[in-house]
Order: sequence, then C-alpha cells, then structure tokens
Amino acid sequence: QKEVEQNSGPLSVPEGAIASLNCTYSDRGSQSFFWYRQYSGKSPELIMSIYSNGDKEDGRFTAQLNKASQYVSLLIRDSQPSDSATYLCAVKPLYAGGTSYGKLTFGQGTILTVHP
Amino acid sequence: ETGVTQTPRHLVMGMTNKKSLKCEQHLGHNAMYWYKQSAKKPLELMFVYSLEERVENNSVPSRFSPECPNSSHLFLHLHTLQPEDSALYLCASSQEIAVASSYEQYFGPGTRLTVT
Repeated sequence: QKEVEQNSGPLSVPEGAIASLNCTYSDRGSQSFFWYRQYSGKSPELIMSIYSNGDKEDGRFTAQLNKASQYVSLLIRDSQPSDSATYLCAVKPLYAGGTSYGKLTFGQGTILTVHP
Repeated sequence: ETGVTQTPRHLVMGMTNKKSLKCEQHLGHNAMYWYKQSAKKPLELMFVYSLEERVENNSVPSRFSPECPNSSHLFLHLHTLQPEDSALYLCASSQEIAVASSYEQYFGPGTRLTVT
C-alpha cells in the first residue's frame, strides 16, 4: 500500500467550477498535512497546510482533514485556467524519538486541468 | 535574493564526470533537504540536514554526497552517476524539522540533471 495516495487524474473541470482533490494516507499517527501546487517544469509551491480535523479556508482554497478516515482534501472554488497544475499532497508522520522526523511523504500528484 | 535558490538550473554530465549542485536559502531556516523528482514518480526525499547536521539519509547511493557547511547552504556532490539518475533535483528548507507548525517546506526552482 502506498503511504500517500492520490488519483493521478487528469481531473478536468470547467472554469468557475469547484475542483475537488483527494488524498489518503496510511500512517494513522500523521500529524501535519500539506498541499503543494506544481506547474509544469517548475518546483512545488506550498499553498495550504492543515494540522487539525475540519476545514481550513484561504481565499479560494479550502483544505479538509479527517484523521479518523485518514483523508485530506483540497477544494478550489471558482477554478481558473491558471489553477491548471499538478497538486501534490504531502504528509508528515508523527515525530517519534528522532526517527524520520525530517520526512515529508508525497503522493504522486493529481493533474488538474481547468478549461475555459 | 529571496527564498531558496539553486544553481545550476540545468546540468548535462557524463557518467564519469564529477559535478556539484548548490542550494542557498535566504529564509533564516534551520533545516534543509534534497529531493529527487523523476517522471511519473512521487517526490523522493534524499537527505535532511538540521543545523548543518545530517539527520536522515534515505538509502541514497554513495554516488550522491551531500554537504552542509552552514545552515544557509547545501551542496550535492555527484560522481559516476547513471542515466537513471537523470531527474529534477529539488532543494527545500524549513524553519525546523520537529515542530509541526514550523514544518512547512519551501522549495527552490530545482536543477534539471541529465546523465549521458
């Protein structure tokens, strides 16, 4: 089982719609969750972080975390063509006695295409 | 300059060459990371440094040799690489490595490496 799973897509949505990106993780003790956006040929850019259950909103972006279901999602409202990119989910495992405490585990990414 | 910078941005090298990748962060962070990103694969963590001390080596072959002379600079020395080492090499930094709220990692633009 992959540690962090994402549907690779591509996910295609029309401009103005809500894009919903999903991520599941296997380590139940994970504490910190991140969404990165990566444009083609560019480096990942952090867009959201979430640490507790529930929703966290930042502009058009909402991150949702459900630790019981080991599920984190990213909603993009009013999607724009400029949102077209690969979205990477990253998970930090529980800090445990000095092992793997520097490690972020990334999913493979979901390709999002927003068409006019 | 601001953020995380990497040089060179592109590198082509033969299998017998020795080259080095350089990363510099201007964020006052204490932790730095090397990642490898290959096509169709998730980001792979290679090395983690905290306050110039290597705290994680993620089973990376010895032909990759990191060096962290201070908390702002990170190098990746390359020698006798294989064609399958061709990838995008990304440097990242974060404020700390063990405090969840300070764990957000910021990436440099990457070095696109081609081994011929």
